[in-house]
Amino acid sequence: AQTVTQSQPEMSVQEAETVTLSCTYDTSESDYYLFWYKQPPSRQMILVIRQEAYKQQNATENRFSVNFQKAAKSFSLKISDSQLGDAAMYFCAYRSAVDLNNNDMRFGAGTRLTVKP
Amino acid sequence: NAGVMQNPRHLVRRRGQEARLRCSPMKGHSHVYWYRQLPEEGLKFMVYLQKENIIDESGMPKERFSAEFPKEGPSILRIQQVVRGDSAAYFCASSPPSGGAGNTIYFGEGSWLTVV
Repeated sequence: AQTVTQSQPEMSVQEAETVTLSCTYDTSESDYYLFWYKQPPSRQMILVIRQEAYKQQNATENRFSVNFQKAAKSFSLKISDSQLGDAAMYFCAYRSAVDLNNNDMRFGAGTRLTVKP
Repeated sequence: NAGVMQNPRHLVRRRGQEARLRCSPMKGHSHVYWYRQLPEEGLKFMVYLQKENIIDESGMPKERFSAEFPKEGPSILRIQQVVRGDSAAYFCASSPPSGGAGNTIYFGEGSWLTVV
């Protein structure tokens, strides 16, 4: 079974600075999707960024980018120019693109990001 | 295009009562997922459904919990004889048929169950 590990329960960053959140995963599959979701105090789950495993190019969405290392099974999230509104729980997630009967999304335990003004 | 709709947003039940949580997927989405989030924890997969079929219920507790996604109407997560440990946020998510939209799952805003 696939597992997702976020080794940083909490992280802190100064406003306008850059922070990197770590995520590793374990899978024997070759084709899959990786996601970062943000959960602010409102508790809504908001998609931040998505990466297809077959793409070598790292995904980027404005201030958010990933460092996808497929061989190392690593998928870190970099937030540049951090803003107060970035403060939230961040969840890394894995979804198979191969096994259609195992098509749910597996989440890490989350990293709580604090942004200091 | 409305997002994933969940109701009720907040539900209070006494121990032993039944809780029913409803989820309407996004338009065009035929896959529904239910996740549970306990306080200060991540999301735990419960069940994955397609219309009239349970595809994967490996995350569902063996007793008291059931889910359905009928041909017509919303998906229902049903918890019978609730206990205090059932208090949690229950998130529904949906996705299009496999291969569509990059297999992204879109979440509803969650239903908060409190058992008193």
